[in-house]
Amino acid sequence: GAGVSQSPSNKVTEKGKDVELRCDPISGHTALYWYRQSLGQGLEFLIYFQGNSAPDKSGLPSDRFSAERTGGSVSTLTIQRTQQEDSAVYLCASSRTRTGGVNIQYFGPGTRLTVL
Amino acid sequence: GNSVTQMEGPVTLSEEAFLTINCTYTATGYPSLFWYVQYPGEGLQLLLKATKADDKGSNKGFEATYRKETTSFHLEKGSVQVSDSAVYFCALHINTGTASKLTFGTGTRLQVTL
Repeated sequence: GAGVSQSPSNKVTEKGKDVELRCDPISGHTALYWYRQSLGQGLEFLIYFQGNSAPDKSGLPSDRFSAERTGGSVSTLTIQRTQQEDSAVYLCASSRTRTGGVNIQYFGPGTRLTVL
Repeated sequence: GNSVTQMEGPVTLSEEAFLTINCTYTATGYPSLFWYVQYPGEGLQLLLKATKADDKGSNKGFEATYRKETTSFHLEKGSVQVSDSAVYFCALHINTGTASKLTFGTGTRLQVTL
């Protein structure tokens, strides 16, 4: 079956512009996660969705970052007024939600964001 | 808070050598533990997992045992191949309902040569 897909695969933007990154999770996965992978910071959690709600937004680095999820499926991560330090690979993951079990997260290929 | 510490890389080995990548963790609660692998130009893939103390996760010849007494989850392989060259990430997960995230180590790059 299809895995997690992300678009675009690469995005180059100018400092100060807004960008939108898209994630399409595995069908049937109710949980969705955004992470960021950068050279200086490693792999960092950004936000977790359960259905369309985000009970954990603790990893969003500033109010320039926001995310939404609609229909319990596709999610969009928006970065406003991009800065050079936002340059990173943005990873999306999804998982089932199983009470009492291990919810394995499956990752997409990522979107490489470069802010000039 | 929760954290994962991995040995610094890069690790360079000859083919058929024995591999150990150390991983220790700090967690409030009882985590599940994972090793993810990132091959060159590819996304993160789950390599193996363990959910409780003394569990051994294994896959593709790699093994790791969940050691609660030493809070460790070291990755081992008896005979590495060139195709094992990749970056390996140790991670923990605790699901509290409102919080469900992977906490990753910094990653260890493995380079296997002929």
